[in-house]
Amino acid sequence: EAQVTQNPRYLITVTGKKLTVTCSQNMNHEYMSWYRQDPGLGLRQIYYSMNVEVTDKGDVPEGYKVSRKEKRNFPLILESPSPNQTSLYFCASSLALNTEAFFGQGTRLTVV
Amino acid sequence: GENVEQHPSTLSVQEGDSAVIKCTYSDSASNYFPWYKQELGKRPQLIIDIRSNVGEKKDQRIAVTLNKTAKHFSLHITETQPEDSAVYFCAASGLGTNAGKSTFGDGTTLTVKP
Repeated sequence: EAQVTQNPRYLITVTGKKLTVTCSQNMNHEYMSWYRQDPGLGLRQIYYSMNVEVTDKGDVPEGYKVSRKEKRNFPLILESPSPNQTSLYFCASSLALNTEAFFGQGTRLTVV
Repeated sequence: GENVEQHPSTLSVQEGDSAVIKCTYSDSASNYFPWYKQELGKRPQLIIDIRSNVGEKKDQRIAVTLNKTAKHFSLHITETQPEDSAVYFCAASGLGTNAGKSTFGDGTTLTVKP
């Protein structure tokens, strides 16, 4: 089944403890992206990748890192999480730039 | 960068009525305008999209119109049904210096009353 898979689905962590949210797609998509969703603020783009080894900042990249070593994986790394990074995170992939985005199930992160 | 404004933030209609959600964008280089539907607790899913070389696109009860000159695009849902109740997001992306960036509106919560 074609899908985008994120893990974990839920995570509670403490301030400053490094964490990684994984994202994997099995559709051979070129483009991948991370978003955070907060009430009333829609989906805000954190980072995106147009191809392997190519990543770039979205609108809210501060406090996040990403890597794209393989086409299928696009992990989101929080080196030192803070409470203001408590949010619902979505990974998405698209066949190419400016085409339909397929979203993962979401990861609800709480930083205390 | 791109700025997308979406109105209204909430919309309540009676079953069978039409619903219209409007978005404006700021970057004239944007050329791809998708609409996503997000049901409660679920992931966003594409319902319709339009490119800048087209003024209107229709898919059964759903249509999208685009006015490039005015930089706005709208989602039209006719004969609404209770299962249309969800949050709807518009988005804009394009080529040029902001290629790769995708900007979403803040969302519209649509409630269809039976």
